Amino acid sequence: GAVVSQHPSWVICKSGTSVKIECRSLDFQATTMFWYRQFPKQSLMLMATSNEGSKATYEQGVEKDKFLINHASLTLSTLTVTSAHPEDSSFYICSALGSTNYEQYFGPGTRLTVT
Amino acid sequence: QKEVEQNSGPLSVPEGAIASLNCTYSDRGSQSFFWYRQYSGKSPELIMSIYSNGDKEDGRFTAQLNKASQYVSLLIRDSQPSDSATYLCAVRRGVGAQKLVFGQGTRLTINP
Repeated sequence: GAVVSQHPSWVICKSGTSVKIECRSLDFQATTMFWYRQFPKQSLMLMATSNEGSKATYEQGVEKDKFLINHASLTLSTLTVTSAHPEDSSFYICSALGSTNYEQYFGPGTRLTVT
Repeated sequence: QKEVEQNSGPLSVPEGAIASLNCTYSDRGSQSFFWYRQYSGKSPELIMSIYSNGDKEDGRFTAQLNKASQYVSLLIRDSQPSDSATYLCAVRRGVGAQKLVFGQGTRLTINP
């Protein structure tokens, strides 16, 4: 149980284009999902908290107009990186709060490379 | 002072020995504590959660929590080379809090 999937697992895009990443909870409903970014050899950085049916809450320093988050259902949250630039290249990981709301389960991550 | 602190390592342990990973946290109101394992290039995987003082065992893993000392640890018995990874300590602050605060992680290497 508590499986979270992400799609795509990796993506290469050109500078200036937008990329959408999907995060799904496969066997449970997740009212809350999180989006993280991780650069090589660094720890996880929380970007935003996504609650189903409401606007995402962004961490300080994260541009909400650049990283668009939509959590339209209890099993799906999406992150869209708009007008991507090479410095946005990173490992993007989502997580979802389990049905007990105590444990957070991570998706496998999406590796984004912007050329 | 960081909210959640871990020794970044690397920590080297011979195969079959006990690996001991430590974590301290600054917020006394913290309620829930988690250990994640992250292999290189992969996402974190939850291996243990602990909510009350004392020990919690699951297979070769034992989590220990001491709220008075604001200290949580993870012991791995009979360490295997497959245990080589970065171990992340995560803390959820108070009741109703959703976010986790992560430490920087400890890189563990098990030497055959």
